[in-house]
Amino acid sequence: QVQLVESGGDVVQPGKSLTLSCAASGFSFSRHGMHWVRQAPGKGLEWVALIWNDGTIKYYADSVKGRFFISRDNSKDTLSLLMTNLRVDDTAIYFCVRDDSPYYYFDYWGQGTLVTVSS
Amino acid sequence: EIVLTQSPGTLSLSPGERATLSCRASQSLGSTFLAWYQQRPGQAPRLLIYGASSRVTGISDRFSGSGSGTDFTLTISRLEPEDFAVYYCQQYGSSPKTFGQGTKVEIK
Repeated sequence: QVQLVESGGDVVQPGKSLTLSCAASGFSFSRHGMHWVRQAPGKGLEWVALIWNDGTIKYYADSVKGRFFISRDNSKDTLSLLMTNLRVDDTAIYFCVRDDSPYYYFDYWGQGTLVTVSS
Repeated sequence: EIVLTQSPGTLSLSPGERATLSCRASQSLGSTFLAWYQQRPGQAPRLLIYGASSRVTGISDRFSGSGSGTDFTLTISRLEPEDFAVYYCQQYGSSPKTFGQGTKVEIK
């Protein structure tokens, strides 16, 4: 069965960096676009970033553009999110999400990893 | 950016009742690129409906989606205890992929 397992969430100070990882299994990873979606405490869902199945194309939400960087390793079935210059309003649960390529709805979600940005 | 507005914010109903949730887009989605998700407390969202009306395999037929253009509806025909949750719509036809703010379906 499809599994997406995030790791790397932590408590960090504003301005610091953090890398999230997502281990995928149970499907052909290289055939699907992958995303990060976040949810601030008690709030709704916000799409953060997308990477195409082959890693050639990446898109970002305006709120993280230039600070967050999505990548993938299809040989290891892993997705990553490098978050730099973190801000307090980046505090959220970050979900690793698969899309049903070529469509951008999200058919499988990980359980999420919590990032807290606080001084 | 396409803005999705969900209404109502909270829906208070009893088990067995019918729930009707609305999602309105700020511009036409065309080709019905709209999905619905359910999120139970402490859990990740789960895809229910895609293409505005296509139900995901394994999702109860109590859930149905309809609509086109700018107005979409998720209907839960008879609420079961496990259906009390937050529901989000999402458009995936243009970037960025945006979500509505959610509708909470709570037990009356």
